[in-house]
Amino acid sequence: AQSVTQLDSQVPVFEEAPVELRCNYSSSVSVYLFWYVQYPNQGLQLLLKYLSGSTLVKGINGFEAEFNKSQTSFHLRKPSVHISDTAEYFCAVTPFSGYNKLIFGAGTRLAVHP
Amino acid sequence: DTAVSQTPKYLVTQMGNDKSIKCEQNLGHDTMYWYKQDSKKFLKIMFSYNNKELIINETVPNRFSPKSPDKAHLNLHINSLELGDSAVYFCASTPQDHTGELFFGEGSRLTVL
Repeated sequence: AQSVTQLDSQVPVFEEAPVELRCNYSSSVSVYLFWYVQYPNQGLQLLLKYLSGSTLVKGINGFEAEFNKSQTSFHLRKPSVHISDTAEYFCAVTPFSGYNKLIFGAGTRLAVHP
Repeated sequence: DTAVSQTPKYLVTQMGNDKSIKCEQNLGHDTMYWYKQDSKKFLKIMFSYNNKELIINETVPNRFSPKSPDKAHLNLHINSLELGDSAVYFCASTPQDHTGELFFGEGSRLTVL
């Protein structure tokens, strides 16, 4: 079984400041890792994903994440946030084999203030 | 042209009623899902169908019955609605390439009074 822990339920930050949203996972099998973003009253949109290869992955809107296998972490970062980045961010995993079954963390609310 | 579309977007109903939410995807994907997002934003998988066959069925009350008439559609019917069923229900689909990416609809907000 898999589980995902997002260590911060809310992250307030000022505009143009850097931000890191933390994600740790637990799994007895190898997994793919994802970050999704949910803007208010909308569905989820993929920010980035790690399948294999380079452990630093770049996504949309200037976000990037680093996979750390030894620490079972997949933290999301952005060097300079905008007001428009205010949203709920979800970390998720799915096992390599078998059917896709995305298991989500509880989400982190990023609130960017002017 | 919306890739994964759900109807209705909002649904307000009384306890004990039966309601359905419909989902259609035009991406040609083989696998579709229903997720439930509660008031604390937690997302939990409910069901998944692959080519009209049920492949994932989490511990969901049997008042919830998914139906997939074809691989482009996955509907969710809920009998005897309870207050705790109030949530946002998301439909999603994924291709067979198993890269894990799910494509989500915009959600259907169900409020049970």
